Amino acid sequence: DTAVSQTPKYLVTQMGNDKSIKCEQNLGHDTMYWYKQDSKKFLKIMFSYNNKELIINETVPNRFSPKSPDKAHLNLHINSLELGDSAVYFCASSPGQSLYNEQFFGPGTRLTVL
Amino acid sequence: ELKVEQNPLFLSMQEGKNYTIYCNYSTTSDRLYWYRQDPGKSLESLFVLLSNGAVKQEGRLMASLDTKARLSTLHITAAVHDLSATYFCGGTSYGKLTFGQGTILTVHP
Repeated sequence: DTAVSQTPKYLVTQMGNDKSIKCEQNLGHDTMYWYKQDSKKFLKIMFSYNNKELIINETVPNRFSPKSPDKAHLNLHINSLELGDSAVYFCASSPGQSLYNEQFFGPGTRLTVL
Repeated sequence: ELKVEQNPLFLSMQEGKNYTIYCNYSTTSDRLYWYRQDPGKSLESLFVLLSNGAVKQEGRLMASLDTKARLSTLHITAAVHDLSATYFCGGTSYGKLTFGQGTILTVHP
């Protein structure tokens, strides 16, 4: 059983397009996250939601908009894609309300913007 | 803002040898994490270190935490090829998990 799943696994698109990445966790966790891993493997947090409420919103262009329809899902919508958005995006989740609990990561979505 | 630095960034080891990866962090971190990432794969949690002096071991890997020195180490004993991966440490501050740059470990015969 997949604990944290993401779709799609690969996404290739043109500059200027709008795309979404979906994330679902079946661990019963309350907190979910989006991370970006660039070409140098540097991992940085983008957003965190706890029970559908935005908790962390890093300095991310407002072209990126997370949406959490329920605590098991956290989607990431990206408007007007740019070349610099090419990266691997990881979703993660952690139990409870504390943001310090161990995080479990999804398989990642490799986004390529042409 | 918490900064986390790992060294070395690249580590080429012979099978059977021992080595240590170092993780320094800049301000108080509530917890320290070690993750492993295989090429093209997700991150797998290895260790969570909660307090000063914490030591955890799993197989050939042992992690420790010195909060006074703001240092965590990941010690590899008698390396085997299966340990080849990228290892990340991460610290938490104000609810955010901040990762180091990652250490790419290659174990060769």
